[in-house]
Order: sequence, then structure tokens, then C-alpha cells
Amino acid sequence: AQKITQTQPGMFVQEKEAVTLDCTYDTSDPSYGLFWYKQPSSGEMIFLIYQGSYDQQNATEGRYSLNFQKARKSANLVISASQLGDSAMYFCAMREVNSGNTPLVFGKGTRLSVIA
Amino acid sequence: DVKVTQSSRYLVKRTGEKVFLECVQDMDHENMFWYRQDPGLGLRLIYFSYDVKMKEKGDIPEGYSVSREKKERFSLILESASTNQTSMYLCASSSSGSANEKLFFGSGTQLSVL
Repeated sequence: AQKITQTQPGMFVQEKEAVTLDCTYDTSDPSYGLFWYKQPSSGEMIFLIYQGSYDQQNATEGRYSLNFQKARKSANLVISASQLGDSAMYFCAMREVNSGNTPLVFGKGTRLSVIA
Repeated sequence: DVKVTQSSRYLVKRTGEKVFLECVQDMDHENMFWYRQDPGLGLRLIYFSYDVKMKEKGDIPEGYSVSREKKERFSLILESASTNQTSMYLCASSSSGSANEKLFFGSGTQLSVL
């Protein structure tokens, strides 16, 4: 079964607007970590933000925030004030902790295009 | 500056060739990973290693093997390349396993098998 689901293959957003990229996950492990990565056209994978399953507050890093809704098993990435440089692929990923040192599992990604 | 280096950015090989993809990290990380990335499929884990001479199969190990003789180096081997192995290959590393341990990625190798 797919553990990470990103339902939006592609999205468009106007420059300076906010955008939400959806991510839902599936786990029975009570302890897990959620990650978002950005991949520009250059191909490098850039870590954006992390949320732990026991974190009480939603994670924020500059213009990035993670809208964590544990009961709904959703970890949406919110980008505020979009910039042209935000155009990229975005991947959501999860690590389960109680199963041991498990690798990150990635979703299929969302391609974001920022329009001037 | 921390670094994961993949030996080739682009590689073109023939069907049936033995292919080596090399990855080196300079962060003294215990864990190393090979993913392949295909459009519409995201990143899928091929193999990973948590220690020297140790390897674990990921989700799609068929047609691949790996070698980790030294801590800093993790090689992906395609014993007999096939056209369906044309893909972007990403190597990553991390230090040992707390929940918030992020992966550091190399710049990727775009492999074309003709």
C-alpha cells in the first residue's frame, strides 16, 4: 500500500500568492517524521522542512510551513508569497521510527509552476 | 560544506553492459541509499546500507546490486543493463537514525540504456 500520497501531479500559482501542496500518509507507527524536499530543474534535492509526529506546533521555515493534521494523516506544505524560483518538483516523505532505522519513503511529487 | 558526490551526471550505456554508479560522501555518515526517480513515480528505493559491508534491499532491487567496501563509498551495479533501467539515479546519505535525520542527496546520474 502506498504510504505517501500526493494527489496533485501539477499546480500553478500566481507570483506572490500562497499555495498549498497536499500530502497524506499512511502508518500505524505512532512515532514518525515527515519531510518535504524541493527539486528544481537542476535536479538537486533540497530539504525544506520537517515535522515530527509528536510535535505540538506546525513546523515553519521562512516562507514554508507544514500544516500538520495528525488525525487526518495529512502534512500539507504551504508556501507563502510564491516566487518564480519556487517553480520545481516537491516531494513529501516519511520515516517510521518504531520499526527501526527505516529509510525515507517518498511520494510521487507535485510539480509547481509559479506564473509572473 | 557537506557533500554527496556522484561520479557522473550523464551516462549512456548499451543493453547488456555492466554499469557502475559511484557515490561518495564526506560527512562520515553511516547510512547510504540509492533511489531511482522516474516521471510520475517519484523516488523509489533500490538498496540501502547502514554500515560497511552491509546492504538491505529496498522496494525495487531486481536487476541491481550494491557494494559498500568503505564507509564513504556506496556503489550501485547494474549487472546487465536493460532499457527499462533508463532513469535518474539519486544517491543519498544520513547519519544514524533519529526521526528527524534528513537525507543529503547527490546531484544525480541520468542513465540512458540504448
